[in-house]
Amino acid sequence: DAKTTQPPSMDCAEGRAANLPCNHSTISGNEYVYWYRQIHSQGPQYIIHGLKNNETNEMASLIITEDRKSSTLILPHATLRDTAVYYCIVRVAPGTSARQLTFGSGTQLTVLP
Amino acid sequence: GAVVSQHPSRVICKSGTSVKIECRSLDFQATTMFWYRQFPKQSLMLMATSNEGSKATYEQGVEKDKFLINHASLTLSTLTVTSAHPEDSSFYICSARGSGIAYEQYFGPGTRLTVT
Repeated sequence: DAKTTQPPSMDCAEGRAANLPCNHSTISGNEYVYWYRQIHSQGPQYIIHGLKNNETNEMASLIITEDRKSSTLILPHATLRDTAVYYCIVRVAPGTSARQLTFGSGTQLTVLP
Repeated sequence: GAVVSQHPSRVICKSGTSVKIECRSLDFQATTMFWYRQFPKQSLMLMATSNEGSKATYEQGVEKDKFLINHASLTLSTLTVTSAHPEDSSFYICSARGSGIAYEQYFGPGTRLTVT
């Protein structure tokens, strides 16, 4: 699976959009971009994933550049409960042959009141 | 979405004793389960992977005789930390993956182990 690079920490004001970047310059054509987050002392929570098109769900939006070498997770209206470590993971599509999720160091997002 | 539970959520045990952590997939059959460990201010590190009915595959540096994993059914996996020591104190997280719509990997809430 391709490696990812994320900033170690970011702050965001409550109510504003949080934009979390991720670089994955060695991504392969069959690899997806996944985002998980981990609130302190909890298990990781799935947020969103995409291949090459932008994706949106009730939690967030995922913007993937045309060359797929980087992406941005957008939390449109951050709340204090969004304070967590956010992990960007690149992996092949899930299936019986897919490897386990491998976590990097992630980005600690702190939403400030 | 698919739900994975862990029990207990917190456990304190004395050095030298063993402790068992259960991981259950509540609404899907987990053909594969993963056990991660997370030390304070660090990321999740995979300890082992188990397929139902088979022996677990351990990551390099993880002692298989110390961390016993059993995946006897499609909904239950257990991790037993044997002869626990204070350095085994950590946050243990299980994850389960099934088939079909459950191909994704789902995570449990974690178990905080403290060895005194």
